[in-house]
Amino acid sequence: GAVVSQHPSWVICKSGTSVKIECRSLDFQATTMFWYRQFPKQSLMLMATSNEGSKATYEQGVEKDKFLINHASLTLSTLTVTSAHPEDSSFYICSASAGAPRDYEQYFGPGTRLTVT
Amino acid sequence: AQTVTQSQPEMSVQEAETVTLSCTYDTSESDYYLFWYKQPPSRQMILVIRQEAYKQQNATENRFSVNFQKAAKSFSLKISDSQLGDAAMYFCACRTQGGSEKLVFGKGTKLTVNP
Repeated sequence: GAVVSQHPSWVICKSGTSVKIECRSLDFQATTMFWYRQFPKQSLMLMATSNEGSKATYEQGVEKDKFLINHASLTLSTLTVTSAHPEDSSFYICSASAGAPRDYEQYFGPGTRLTVT
Repeated sequence: AQTVTQSQPEMSVQEAETVTLSCTYDTSESDYYLFWYKQPPSRQMILVIRQEAYKQQNATENRFSVNFQKAAKSFSLKISDSQLGDAAMYFCACRTQGGSEKLVFGKGTKLTVNP
């Protein structure tokens, strides 16, 4: 199988604080990880692509200083929402790809619901 | 740039009946993959079916099949013998092979299955 976990599944934080979300590939090495944001009743919007050991590539319009992404190992990527505001409240989903060995298939985590009060 | 269009925001089907969800896409790439993902209320993304663009044969996975019309850039999903558990959001997606590996999603179709 190809299992991706996310932690936490739900987090509530106060406005102005930072929150970190972890994405782990449990049974394969992820050369590339992706972070998506999903608003209610909307599609997934790609925020950034990260490759292990290098800086993340952010999509146009995504504030890289606000959404810090670190891909320090082949099984772990983190998304830190800095100085969170209520408008950052959303559902965040990560996916992981093992690249060519698994035909670039993306495996999705279960998502993290962020609520900023 | 790739685009994926799902023109049906909502669809409904009676249990045991067949329903078809529409998707059109646009890409300048010659080598790409197409996907249908299911997102139930749990919000876990589940891969339903995938189609390699170079394959002429339509992909099939049990009750799920696609109608891939490459020239028309159309990629519809047919669900046969619909079950209550099929109720979910369905997203069509496109990805070029290799390269950036980015998935481009459509806006989704909400499928309701009526008992």
